[in-house]
Amino acid sequence: KNQVEQSPQSLIILEGKNCTLQCNYTVSPFSNLRWYKQDTGRGPVSLTIMTFSENTKSNGRYTATLDADTKQSSLHITASQLSDSASYICVVSAGNDYKLSFGAGTTVTVRA
Amino acid sequence: GAGVSQTPSNKVTEKGKYVELRCDPISGHTALYWYRQSLGQGPEFLIYFQGTGAADDSGLPNDRFFAVRPEGSVSTLKIQRTERGDSAVYLCASSLLAGVGNEQFFGPGTRLTVL
Repeated sequence: KNQVEQSPQSLIILEGKNCTLQCNYTVSPFSNLRWYKQDTGRGPVSLTIMTFSENTKSNGRYTATLDADTKQSSLHITASQLSDSASYICVVSAGNDYKLSFGAGTTVTVRA
Repeated sequence: GAGVSQTPSNKVTEKGKYVELRCDPISGHTALYWYRQSLGQGPEFLIYFQGTGAADDSGLPNDRFFAVRPEGSVSTLKIQRTERGDSAVYLCASSLLAGVGNEQFFGPGTRLTVL
């Protein structure tokens, strides 16, 4: 069964600090991995997408890494802002399947 | 350019009632997906439409759930004889085409509460 595990479940950081979120997956055959940001009461919005051959991708203050050998990904948030408070979901696609495998998300709270 | 919209944003109903949830995809998107997201969990796949037809309904939990997309655009998720366990956020997504590499754009969801 395709699974996506995220850690930590939640974290609180001070504004301006950095943080890193983790994602482990067992999805096979791997196609791509996306990190989504989901604000409270909103739908998920894609931040980054990485295929098998990519090991890092940046979008502003968000940097995602991928190790396809160990099936791990991370999302690093630099110089956090209050608006970064949200749930961050790791999503993996398998083969040519349109079905997405979602992690449970990491809830990030940024405090002033 | 409007994104995916869903109505209502919130729906409170009583156990045993019938509800309909509506999704307006991005114009021109041929693929439409419904997901259910329980509190503290990632979304779970329910059903996928390619055009007007349900290409994959394997995620629907039981026969109380049904979805249609009669004209290949707007879709309605229908739940009969609602149960308290149906309470969740129902997300709709659309993509230009189906398949890997086609980004799914999500709507804000409908929060369903069954009392």
